[in-house]
Amino acid sequence: SQQGEEDPQALSIQEGENATMNCSYKTSINNLQWYRQNSGRGLVHLILIRSNEREKHSGRLRVTLDTSKKSSSLLITASRAADTASYFCATDEVYGGSQGNLIFGKGTKLSVKP
Amino acid sequence: SQTIHQWPATLVQPVGSPLSLECTVEGTSNPNLYWYRQAAGRGLQLLFYSVGIGQISSEVPQNLSASRPQDRQFILSSKKLLLSDSGFYLCAWSSIRTSGRAPDTQYFGPGTRLTVL
Repeated sequence: SQQGEEDPQALSIQEGENATMNCSYKTSINNLQWYRQNSGRGLVHLILIRSNEREKHSGRLRVTLDTSKKSSSLLITASRAADTASYFCATDEVYGGSQGNLIFGKGTKLSVKP
Repeated sequence: SQTIHQWPATLVQPVGSPLSLECTVEGTSNPNLYWYRQAAGRGLQLLFYSVGIGQISSEVPQNLSASRPQDRQFILSSKKLLLSDSGFYLCAWSSIRTSGRAPDTQYFGPGTRLTVL
């Protein structure tokens, strides 16, 4: 079942600009995670934000979470060509306290041009 | 530190042939293990997860099966591949989760690109 949905599907910016990606989800969550995937590679965990947190920073990354709107955003500031990758949000299913695995969205493909 | 390995990196197989993809984790004990498939330009679809040796849960009905013969080894198999089995297969691990606790960060292997012709 689809949980997180990122938008836009693709984003092309110039080096030095900021990149913002959004994620919307449908059910209640305990936490939301963002991952990055370089072309043809595995995913790398970037940041986790818990449902009781509203904002979190990690280097040039800033993540916000609005549980009332069931949405999150990932901001990459001062982007670099090396940031070119696909970015995925992942949320957990909450079904009456069941185990809940991560559900990944389809991702936003970011292209940063030098 | 923990590392996760997958092999082979790429595989081209004819329709109807068998499949065996292997994933091993080092540097941790009792991990949760996961197999995902990623179709071109798409998100990840969870295929199987395992919370212990011999314990496999399947998320979707399919032509594939999984086994966990050892604590840190996870194998994805098929007896007869279909064209639709083509894709990028990712193995991941996470720390064992206490009942009721939210999923932890998952750590992914480098993936196996499978092409079925």
